[in-house]
Amino acid sequence: EAGVAQSPRYKIIEKRQSVAFWCNPISGHATLYWYQQILGQGPKLLIQFQNNGVVDDSQLPKDRFSAERLKGVDSTLKIQPAKLEDSAVYLCASSLGPQSSGNTIYFGEGSWLTVV
Amino acid sequence: TQLLEQSPQFLSIQEGENLTVYCNSSSVFSSLQWYRQEPGEGPVLLVTVVTGGEVKKLKRLTFQFGDARKDSSLHITAAQPGDTGLYLCAGAQGGKLIFGQGTELSVKP
Repeated sequence: EAGVAQSPRYKIIEKRQSVAFWCNPISGHATLYWYQQILGQGPKLLIQFQNNGVVDDSQLPKDRFSAERLKGVDSTLKIQPAKLEDSAVYLCASSLGPQSSGNTIYFGEGSWLTVV
Repeated sequence: TQLLEQSPQFLSIQEGENLTVYCNSSSVFSSLQWYRQEPGEGPVLLVTVVTGGEVKKLKRLTFQFGDARKDSSLHITAAQPGDTGLYLCAGAQGGKLIFGQGTELSVKP
């Protein structure tokens, strides 16, 4: 079974530029998550989708970050304009249903962003 | 302020040694999970503990959930170089999964 696919794997941009990350979850998984993992820290949830609806985006910096999952499958995460402190690994994850219902979350390999 | 504190943050040991990693909080969690993350990859779930006082074993790994469901420990017996990685605990609270900052383990042959 294919895992969670993410692209690009690595991206270097200058501050104030924009960047977009793409995620394709495991087939049939209704719940999709974007996490930010800064070096030396654990992952922090940015946004959680249930199908194409947003369940939780309380920790998403909405002035510069946006995410969508228009058809309830693939998702994109955009940062515009990027700041130095956005340098991190952006992890996409998916599960059959919400983790709160006991579903296992499967993570992708992550997209590494460096803002210079 | 970190909701979940892991200790130690870094651990470097020789093959064959035993070790324990701790995950502590002042908050109660409905469940607690342990993940292992290798360089360049996403975290992979090792175990979920749900009941206070619960102990689960996974080969050489023993996981324990505190009686009050506020803390947990991971014990590895006879560590091997293949155990090297970042170990993350994550607590479920209010429908969210909150991660600790991780323990970086290095097992030298």
